[in-house]
Amino acid sequence: QEHLVESGGAVVQPGRSLRLACAASGFTFSHYGLHWVRQAPGKGLEWVAIISYDGSNKDYAKSVKGRFTISRDNDRNTLYLQMSSLSAEDTAVYYCARARLPNYSYYFALDVWGQGTTVTVSS
Amino acid sequence: EIVLTQSPGTLSLSPGDRATLSCRASQTISSNYLAWYQQKPGQPPSLLIYGASTRATGIPDRFSGSGSGTDFTLTISRLEPEDFAIYYCQHYGNSPFTFGPGTKVDIK
Repeated sequence: QEHLVESGGAVVQPGRSLRLACAASGFTFSHYGLHWVRQAPGKGLEWVAIISYDGSNKDYAKSVKGRFTISRDNDRNTLYLQMSSLSAEDTAVYYCARARLPNYSYYFALDVWGQGTTVTVSS
Repeated sequence: EIVLTQSPGTLSLSPGDRATLSCRASQTISSNYLAWYQQKPGQPPSLLIYGASTRATGIPDRFSGSGSGTDFTLTISRLEPEDFAIYYCQHYGNSPFTFGPGTKVDIK
């Protein structure tokens, strides 16, 4: 059974940093592109970032570019999201999700999702 | 950046009704790289449809997707009690992989 489990969510003050992790199991982690998607309280889904299977390609939403960094450790089957200069607008549940097919490309729908981890930015 | 618009914002229907949800893109979505997701309260989204019309694994055939270019539709032929949820479309043909604002299907 394919699983993604996020961790690292916390209450953090504005301007501070936080790192989220997403542990994968049940599939060959190193073969898949991976995303971070977030959802502010009571709001819709916002795509945040993507990383290719080997970490060589990354892309970000405008709202987080320059502040967030996506990375992965294929030896540890873990995806990360390093977040800095956090503001109240970053308050959300953060989900990691898998691109549907194993491939050097990552242009696939998101077929496996974690349960999410909550980040609250507040003084 | 492709902007997705979903309509209606809320659809109030009864079990057994047919639901028709629309997703419109601000520019052509290449190769029909359009997906639909279902989200229930307190749960992550789950993939229903990809490639505009292909059901994901395990999705019942009462769910169908259609459309191309800039106009896409998700149809639920006969609503079951478990289908009352929020539905999002997303394009994934290029970055940013934007989502639509969602359509809530609630019980009339």
